[in-house]
Amino acid sequence: GIQVEQSPPDLILQEGANSTLRCNFSDSVNNLQWFHQNPWGQLINLFYIPSGTKQNGRLSATTVATERYSLLYISSSQTTDSGVYFCLLNQGGKLIFGQGTELSVKP
Amino acid sequence: GAGVSQTPSNKVTEKGKYVELRCDPISGHTALYWYRQSLGQGPEFLIYFQGTGAADDSGLPNDRFFAVRPEGSVSTLKIQRTERGDSAVYLCASSFAGTRGYNEQFFGPGTRLTVL
Repeated sequence: GIQVEQSPPDLILQEGANSTLRCNFSDSVNNLQWFHQNPWGQLINLFYIPSGTKQNGRLSATTVATERYSLLYISSSQTTDSGVYFCLLNQGGKLIFGQGTELSVKP
Repeated sequence: GAGVSQTPSNKVTEKGKYVELRCDPISGHTALYWYRQSLGQGPEFLIYFQGTGAADDSGLPNDRFFAVRPEGSVSTLKIQRTERGDSAVYLCASSFAGTRGYNEQFFGPGTRLTVL
């Protein structure tokens, strides 16, 4: 089956810094989502992005489907950005989450 | 409701007991998904409904797990003869279309199941 790898597994930032999170996958996908899981466990939708680039405030995402990766950019990070970031892939109807990147933003 | 709701939010049970977890999807969403998340891991797919039928139940770990969605809206995940290894957060999601169409998934807050 498809393999999903997120990097880095952990990231510590100072408030105000920028970061790039990566989701690599081993095969073509039908669609891809990015989520933020807050400290209370709620999965919050960030982007539905099977291809191309989207932006929402300080966050943006790019998926290059032909090269099998997606990137999530966080600019001017805030302490409320802390939590775990997941990518979710749909490959031919099979749904797979990455293992996540745990982000900690320090004041 | 405005979002996906799940009840109960927490469930503590004893080994060997039967539990039911409920999911109320977003109104109008035809697809519904169950996932299980263990501590420190990403969620793992369990089962997916399109309407009333289970379109893909390949993620259910064994025959102690069963899910229904009799009217194409609310779904119940049922676990028989619970084991300590079943302890996890059970997440439900819904989307407008199934896995072969536009299917941005929206998640509920989860049910934390603890089997003592």
